[in-house]
Amino acid sequence: GQNIDQPTEMTATEGAIVQINCTYQTSGFNGLFWYQQHAGEAPTFLSYNVLDGLEEKGRFSSFLSRSKGYSYLLLKELQMKDSASYLCAVILRSGGYNKLIFGAGTRLAVHP
Amino acid sequence: GAVVSQHPSRVICKSGTSVKIECRSLDFQATTMFWYRQFPKQSLMLMATSNEGSKATYEQGVEKDKFLINHASLTLSTLTVTSAHPEDSSFYICSALAGFSNQPQHFGDGTRLSIL
Repeated sequence: GQNIDQPTEMTATEGAIVQINCTYQTSGFNGLFWYQQHAGEAPTFLSYNVLDGLEEKGRFSSFLSRSKGYSYLLLKELQMKDSASYLCAVILRSGGYNKLIFGAGTRLAVHP
Repeated sequence: GAVVSQHPSRVICKSGTSVKIECRSLDFQATTMFWYRQFPKQSLMLMATSNEGSKATYEQGVEKDKFLINHASLTLSTLTVTSAHPEDSSFYICSALAGFSNQPQHFGDGTRLSIL
C-alpha cells in the first residue's frame, strides 16, 4: 500500500523557523507536493519537488531525498497567518495518468 | 493562472436526496479531474479519478453506484452523491490536471455537503 507520514501537530513562535517532515513509502513515485490548507478552505499550492535537493520560494523551501523517501517543508520568518494545516502529497503514476495521494497533514499553530 | 471552479459551495438537504456537484476548469482543458473527500480534522482522501470520455476509476472502498462521476467534456466533471445520508456529510473537493505532465493540481474551492 501507499504510506505517507507527517507529524500531526506542531507549534512555533512568530518570527521563528519551523521544519515539517514527511516520509513516504509508495510505488510509482513521480514527484511530491506541499500544500497549505486553512480550515474550511481548499488547499493552496506551495511547492513541488521531483528531483533531489532544495527548492526555495520566498519564505518557504522544500527539500526532497528520493533515496530516503523523505521531504521537508521549511517555513522562515513565521507569521501568525501561517497557522494552518500543511499537506504533503505524492504523485503516483497509475494506469497512464498521475494521481495525488495526501498525507494526513500537519496542523501548525504559530504563537506570538 | 489556471483556475478550477466548483459549484455549489454549500449544500444542505434532506436524507435520501441526490446531490450533484460540478467542477469546471476555466482557462485550460482538464484531461484528468480528481474528486476528494475530507472529513473534519482529516486529510483529503482520493475518491476517484475522472478521465474525459472514459469511465471513472474509483479508489478502494468507494462505492461507484453511490458516487456517480461523469466527465463529459474537457472542462467539466460532475460528482453525484445518490440517495445521500448523514454519513455522506463531508467536504468534497475537486482538482484538475492539464495534460499528463507533473503540473501542480489546481483545486476547486470545495463543496460542504450537510445531510440532515
